[in-house]
Formats: sequence, C-alpha cells, structure tokens
Amino acid sequence: SQELEQSPQSLIVQEGKNLTINCTSSKTLYGLYWYKQKYGEGLIFLMMLQKGGEEKSHEKITAKLDEKKQQSSLHITASQPSHAGIYLCGASKSGNTPLVFGKGTRLSVIA
Amino acid sequence: GAGVSQTPSNKVTEKGKYVELRCDPISGHTALYWYRQSLGQGPEFLIYFQGTGAADDSGLPNDRFFAVRPEGSVSTLKIQRTERGDSAVYLCASSLSGGELFFGEGSRLTVL
Repeated sequence: SQELEQSPQSLIVQEGKNLTINCTSSKTLYGLYWYKQKYGEGLIFLMMLQKGGEEKSHEKITAKLDEKKQQSSLHITASQPSHAGIYLCGASKSGNTPLVFGKGTRLSVIA
Repeated sequence: GAGVSQTPSNKVTEKGKYVELRCDPISGHTALYWYRQSLGQGPEFLIYFQGTGAADDSGLPNDRFFAVRPEGSVSTLKIQRTERGDSAVYLCASSLSGGELFFGEGSRLTVL
C-alpha cells in the first residue's frame, strides 16, 4: 500500500521565521495534495501538485513536487500565528482512487 | 448549504450501541468519501462513493461498519456494536469526480 511519510512530526518556530515541511512516498504519485487542519475542524485545501517539478504558491506558502513525483515540500515564508495548525499531505495513485494521508506535521508559531 | 455538513458534531455512546453518522455533501458533488481520524494521526480512508454505489470500501475495518448513499447525495455511516476503539473523528468529504476534496468538520465519536 502507498504510505506517506511526513517530517518533522512537529515544529515550533518563532513568528517571522521560515520553515519547511516534507512529504515523501516510496511510490510515484499521481497527485499530491496539501491540507491544513486546525484543532476540532475539518481539513482546508491548500494546493494540489500533479506534474513533476511543479511549484505553486499562495500568499506566503509554496509547495513543490520533485521531478520523480515522490517527494513534496511545503515552505512557509515569514511565519505568522495564523499559520499554526496541522499540515497534512495526501496523495492518490490515480485520478479515481481515494487520497491516502500522512500523519501530519503540527506547527506552532510563537510570538 | 455551501459546504459539507456533518451531523452530529459530537456523539457519546456506550460500548455495544449502534451509531449513525450523517454527511450532506456539497450540491452536485458526485464523489463522497468517509475517513476516520484518531488523535495524532492523519485521516484513514474508509469508503468512497461515486453516485449511489460504493466504488471502494476497502478501508472499512470490519463488518460492523457500513455506509449507504441511497440517492447519490446524503450518506450515512453506520456502526454496529460499537467498541471503545471506534472512538475517533469521522470525516466526510465530497468532490467533483477526481477533483479536490472538500471536507466537513467531522463527527467526534466517543465510545465509553
């Protein structure tokens, strides 16, 4: 079965600092999704990457997918308290298979 | 409604009881997914509907779990003879086929 490894498991950064979260698969991915979750809430879609080498940005968050489509990184620039939460990567093997998720990275941003 | 709606938001039950969790997807979304999330873990896939039929139910842990979507819209996840290990947040998501998943806020189930 496809498994996604996320690192680090948790991260505490000072407000204003940059950070990177990684998501790695042992198999080639069809699509890689990043979601954010706050405690007690559902998952909020951030970005989807599908092509090898693809990079997308939204506000201060940038996600990249490597050429082999087995690893993705999520980079936050100048972190803010509003960035705190759990970041989850999810991936599918094809367009019609359900997403499998990693265990998440818990991000805390301290003032 | 505008988003995926799940009821109840919280359910406390006793071991051995029967539980139903409801999901009302975004209007027009043909695909509907159920996931289960335990504390400190990512969502674990349970079952996926395309229209009225279960396209993939490989994630259902055992035959105590069952889900239906009779009219291709609202879905109900049914758990029989609940066990303490069933305690988790049950998440529902919907999508246009093959697209981004939109999640509800989940139903937190506690089995005492």
